[in-house]
Amino acid sequence: AQKVTQAQTEISVVEKEDVTLDCVYETRDTTYYLFWYKQPPSGELVFLIRRNSFDEQNEISGRYSWNFQKSTSSFNFTITASQVVDSAVYFCALSLKLQNYGGSQGNLIFGKGTKLSVKP
Amino acid sequence: DTGVSQDPRHKITKRGQNVTFRCDPISEHNRLYWYRQTLGQGPEFLTYFQNEAQLEKSRLLSDRFSAERPKGSFSTLEIQRTEQGDSAMYLCADGTDFKETQYFGPGTRLLVL
Repeated sequence: AQKVTQAQTEISVVEKEDVTLDCVYETRDTTYYLFWYKQPPSGELVFLIRRNSFDEQNEISGRYSWNFQKSTSSFNFTITASQVVDSAVYFCALSLKLQNYGGSQGNLIFGKGTKLSVKP
Repeated sequence: DTGVSQDPRHKITKRGQNVTFRCDPISEHNRLYWYRQTLGQGPEFLTYFQNEAQLEKSRLLSDRFSAERPKGSFSTLEIQRTEQGDSAMYLCADGTDFKETQYFGPGTRLLVL
């Protein structure tokens, strides 16, 4: 069965601190995609990043960085020098290729999310 | 290209009533997904369309739920005989055959009294 676990329910930091959000996934498929989405208090899910299972390169985008390790089935997300605007719920998600539909992407399987509060 | 839109943004209804939500994807995006999110949880998949064909349904989609996507454009999600347990945020997402990313609309928040 496929599953995404975000063990940290809530994290609270002070502005300018670095924070890492953990994500562990389970799947037996060899081809899959991993995602991070941000959900601010307004409720809309905002796409942050996508990685495919064949690309283990870490990625940095401004203050955000992602560490993908297949050996530990983890896809962790680090925010450097956090800001109050980073306060939100962050979701990690997994999707699989639908073999019966020409390999197109299937539905997303989400973790329960980590609520990040950044205090001034 | 203004992104995925959903209507209404909020809906309050009494138990037993029927409700219908609409999702308008980005025009050239052929894939459309519906998810449901309850308080404190991640979104859960309900159903998926490729163009007008409904290709996958979750076990969460009971027989009181029906989704359509006529002509492969906008989609509607109808809940018949609503129950208090249907109270949730209903999210629509779209995508294409060439991008493996789903982009979400703002959601419709349903409260069943």
